[in-house]
Amino acid sequence: EADIYQTPRYLVIGTGKKITLECSQTMGHDKMYWYQQDPGMELHLIHYSYGVNSTEKGDLSSESTVSRIRTEHFPLTLESARPSHTSQYLCASSDGHQNTGELFFGEGSRLTVL
Amino acid sequence: AQTVTQSQPEMSVQEAETVTLSCTYDTSESDYYLFWYKQPPSRQMILVIRQEAYKQQNATENRFSVNFQKAAKSFSLKISDSQLGDAAMYFCAYNNNDMRFGAGTRLTVKP
Repeated sequence: EADIYQTPRYLVIGTGKKITLECSQTMGHDKMYWYQQDPGMELHLIHYSYGVNSTEKGDLSSESTVSRIRTEHFPLTLESARPSHTSQYLCASSDGHQNTGELFFGEGSRLTVL
Repeated sequence: AQTVTQSQPEMSVQEAETVTLSCTYDTSESDYYLFWYKQPPSRQMILVIRQEAYKQQNATENRFSVNFQKAAKSFSLKISDSQLGDAAMYFCAYNNNDMRFGAGTRLTVKP
């Protein structure tokens, strides 16, 4: 199993609340990613980071923000959650020194906004 | 931009039988990596198999093998002796500094 962890696994909150989804990896990977995935559907890249203090927006526009203050930690924050944010959020990491670019995924955080 | 296409939203196979999942991709690069990932219901996405584009030999991992046709830009996954635990979403992915995923194929295994 990959050493990448996401919390919480499940979260149900009301509209307007601020939430932070946590993602940590113990593999020393420099690259980290957040994907948004509706159940049984394709993955959409919303944020990525190639190292500390580096963050970029992905293909899918998202109202969330991320930070990368430490190599192992890549939290995603929604300042004011809305029902349209209901989805599963997958965190992943990869070793930028390996040419393969293989991604290691966390178990996901399933968010429901009422 | 590189795109990955999985033309089969759903597939079904009888237990112990063989099934092939299709994947095509579009790229102008000659050196890249291709992957098949498995996502069981409510569980972690894991790597099934990986293919390096510069290798002509098809990758194999136990019951899983690929048919890599570089000229045709095709990368299908064959699952032999299907088991109930193989039921999952399968995602084809392409990587050349930028990982791209297909839309996925939901595989059902019938007992």
